[in-house]
Amino acid sequence: AQKITQTQPGMFVQEKEAVTLDCTYDTSDQSYGLFWYKQPSSGEMIFLIYQGSYDEQNATEGRYSLNFQKARKSANLVISASQLGDSAMYFCAMRLNYGGSQGNLIFGKGTKLSVKP
Amino acid sequence: GAGVSQSPSNKVTEKGKDVELRCDPISGHTALYWYRQSLGQGLEFLIYFQGNSAPDKSGLPSDRFSAERTGGSVSTLTIQRTQQEDSAVYLCASSLGTEYNEQFFGPGTRLTVL
Repeated sequence: AQKITQTQPGMFVQEKEAVTLDCTYDTSDQSYGLFWYKQPSSGEMIFLIYQGSYDEQNATEGRYSLNFQKARKSANLVISASQLGDSAMYFCAMRLNYGGSQGNLIFGKGTKLSVKP
Repeated sequence: GAGVSQSPSNKVTEKGKDVELRCDPISGHTALYWYRQSLGQGLEFLIYFQGNSAPDKSGLPSDRFSAERTGGSVSTLTIQRTQQEDSAVYLCASSLGTEYNEQFFGPGTRLTVL
């Protein structure tokens, strides 16, 4: 069965420092996508970054980068130069790619990040 | 352009009543998803529509839950005979439909069953 594990229920980081949010996944499929979403207290889910299972380079989007280690089945999110506005819940998710017939995201339980001034 | 919209934003109902939740996806997005977010269960997939294909209903928790998508656009999630455990935030998302595209989420409907 497919599963996403986020082992850090809560994390603190000092403003302007970098922080790594852990994510491991479990699947026997070879083709899949990994996503990170941010959910501020307002509730909306904001897409941050995507990594395909066949992508050889780690994905980057501005201050966000995804440390993809396929052999270890990990997809950690790195946020550089943390800002107060980064305080939110962060969800790691996986989508399996087979035949275009399955599209849903499988989410982890999330990590609550708090940025301290 | 407009994002995914959902209505109502909040719904309070009595146990045993039926409720309808609406989702209006981003124009041109062929894929539409419903998820449920609750404290105990986290984010759970409910149902997935892709174009004109039969929906993937594998995440629906019981036969009290159903959803339809009319004209390939607006979707309605219906919960019959609501129970207190149905209380959650119901999130709708849409995407261009390929596995490489992110899903854009709506603001959600917070359902409270008294």
